[in-house]
Amino acid sequence: AQSVTQPDIHITVSEGASLELRCNYSYGATPYLFWYVQSPGQGLQLLLKYFSGDTLVQGIKGFEAEFKRSQSSFNLRKPSVHWSDAAEYFCAVVNDYKLSFGAGTTVTVRA
Amino acid sequence: NAGVTQTPKFRVLKTGQSMTLLCAQDMNHEYMYWYRQDPGMGLRLIHYSVGEGTTAKGEVPDGYNVSRLKKQNFLLGLESAAPSQTSVYFCASSLLSGNEQFFGPGTRLTVL
Repeated sequence: AQSVTQPDIHITVSEGASLELRCNYSYGATPYLFWYVQSPGQGLQLLLKYFSGDTLVQGIKGFEAEFKRSQSSFNLRKPSVHWSDAAEYFCAVVNDYKLSFGAGTTVTVRA
Repeated sequence: NAGVTQTPKFRVLKTGQSMTLLCAQDMNHEYMYWYRQDPGMGLRLIHYSVGEGTTAKGEVPDGYNVSRLKKQNFLLGLESAAPSQTSVYFCASSLLSGNEQFFGPGTRLTVL
């Protein structure tokens, strides 16, 4: 079964600085990968997805992610963080009919 | 479109009580899912449905039952609540398997 690992539980970043969140997936056929964001007290919102094709994927809110098969990674990046980006971020992979989620990375943004 | 809605938003139960959580979607999606979210564990799949009248077990199905009598609704039942079921429950739906899942706002359940 496919699965994902998010190595970082918590990241603190200054407003305006760049952000990178790590996601590693287990081996399988070409994975279908997702990044979701969850603001406090809210449901999950899709940031971006990768199914095939171009390995650099653009998403909403200025986020992008790069699929690297050689490293089994799908890291999420944003060049300049805004205070509103403080949230929890989840990487997920399709596993049969379902999504398997990582444990999440909480991002704190300091002024 | 309301998307995915969940009822109720909050609930407190005593051990041994029963309750049903309702999920509704207006996107004509075939697939629906129930997850629970606990600190440090991400989202774990409880049950899912690939179409009206079908249900299947996910990772953590024990203590829960589900029904999908109508395509737009997916019900999650707790027959005899336990403190270990204190969690935030999310419903989601997708058009097809492997597609983007759309999530509801969640139900915060506390079992005393």
